[in-house]
Amino acid sequence: AQSVTQLDSQVPVFEEAPVELRCNYSSSVSVYLFWYVQYPNQGLQLLLKYLSGSTLVKGINGFEAEFNKSQTSFHLRKPSVHISDTAEYFCAVTTDTGRRALTFGSGTRLQVQP
Amino acid sequence: GAVVSQHPSWVICKSGTSVKIECRSLDFQATTMFWYRQFPKQSLMLMATSNEGSKATYEQGVEKDKFLINHASLTLSTLTVTSAHPEDSSFYICSARGGGPSAGDTQYFGPGTRLTVL
Repeated sequence: AQSVTQLDSQVPVFEEAPVELRCNYSSSVSVYLFWYVQYPNQGLQLLLKYLSGSTLVKGINGFEAEFNKSQTSFHLRKPSVHISDTAEYFCAVTTDTGRRALTFGSGTRLQVQP
Repeated sequence: GAVVSQHPSWVICKSGTSVKIECRSLDFQATTMFWYRQFPKQSLMLMATSNEGSKATYEQGVEKDKFLINHASLTLSTLTVTSAHPEDSSFYICSARGGGPSAGDTQYFGPGTRLTVL
């Protein structure tokens, strides 16, 4: 079974500052990794995903993430945040075997302040 | 592409009644759909995996007789909360897996359904 840990429950940051949201995973087999964003009272929107190949993945809204196999991490970064980036961010993992259900981290609340 | 819809977006019902939530993949066929439950300020918890034409697989602790799942076609799955009680009040989100193995079987999520049981 796999697991995901998001160490920071909340990350406050000022507008136009850079941000990193941390995600670590645990799995005994190869994984696919995802970052989703959730705005209040809405479903989840896919930001980016890592399947294979280049470890630096670029997503929508200026976000990127880097897969680090040795550190079992998949941290999300953005060089300059906007007020509109305020939301809940979820890291998730799945494998290419079994039911392929997603296992989610506990989420990180990004609060962008003016 | 890869749009998933849910209906209704919110519902209020009386205790003891049943509520049906629909999940549709609008522009792709989804052999597998997932149902999640999310409590306020918490992460998503997988309730069940729904495969077209077969019985759903429920996660441990989820009552299959209370949360009835039907996956009648490649674009539609339904979740029926039977004899709902206030503790069933929650945000229910479905997802549909599409794109095939080359896409990492990416899951696309619906907008969610807010259920309030009075």
